Amino acid sequence: GDSVTQMEGPVTLSEEAFLTINCTYTATGYPSLFWYVQYPGEGLQLLLKATKADDKGSNKGFEATYRKETTSFHLEKGSVQVSDSAVYFCALLYYGNNRLAFGKGNQVVVIP
Amino acid sequence: EAQVTQNPRYLITVTGKKLTVTCSQNMNHEYMSWYRQDPGLGLRQIYYSMNVEVTDKGDVPEGYKVSRKEKRNFPLILESPSPNQTSLYFCASSQTGSGSYEQYFGPGTRLTVT
Repeated sequence: GDSVTQMEGPVTLSEEAFLTINCTYTATGYPSLFWYVQYPGEGLQLLLKATKADDKGSNKGFEATYRKETTSFHLEKGSVQVSDSAVYFCALLYYGNNRLAFGKGNQVVVIP
Repeated sequence: EAQVTQNPRYLITVTGKKLTVTCSQNMNHEYMSWYRQDPGLGLRQIYYSMNVEVTDKGDVPEGYKVSRKEKRNFPLILESPSPNQTSLYFCASSQTGSGSYEQYFGPGTRLTVT
């Protein structure tokens, strides 16, 4: 079935460093892809999305490009801040029924 | 303010004691869903509903029930909770249709079953 794979393990980096979180997917057809963020003690909120191949989603300095040829949707930010510390989830939307399939999430810790 | 609310936010209970976690949204969304979040497993869908009186199983439905009698409410029922249902639970809602609509999440309910 459709699924999402995120890179293993937490990510710890210094303020102003470059952040990349890898996400690959397996799907029939062409799903929409999302990144959700979960700040400590809160629910998930949408960070960005892309609905078709080569689309680039962007928000709050984060970007991700929908790559059909590599079935990937990697999240990047050029200069992270301490306030970016959170858990990041990649997700795909099943066609036709609104269901989301999530990756396991990556804890990002930004050190001052 | 557009939001999804859940109650209670925290609950400690004992094995076998029936409980209900409520979920309500004020955005007139057709679609609602329940997820559980466990360390190392991410979010897994329990049940979802495409509209009133229309519900279906997600990936991990065993031990749970839901109902959708009104558009705004989607309660999660644990008839006989067990310790393996200790988890963080999230309710979510979204529009339906041909677009790729954002899902709005509630703040979560942390359940401990002893």
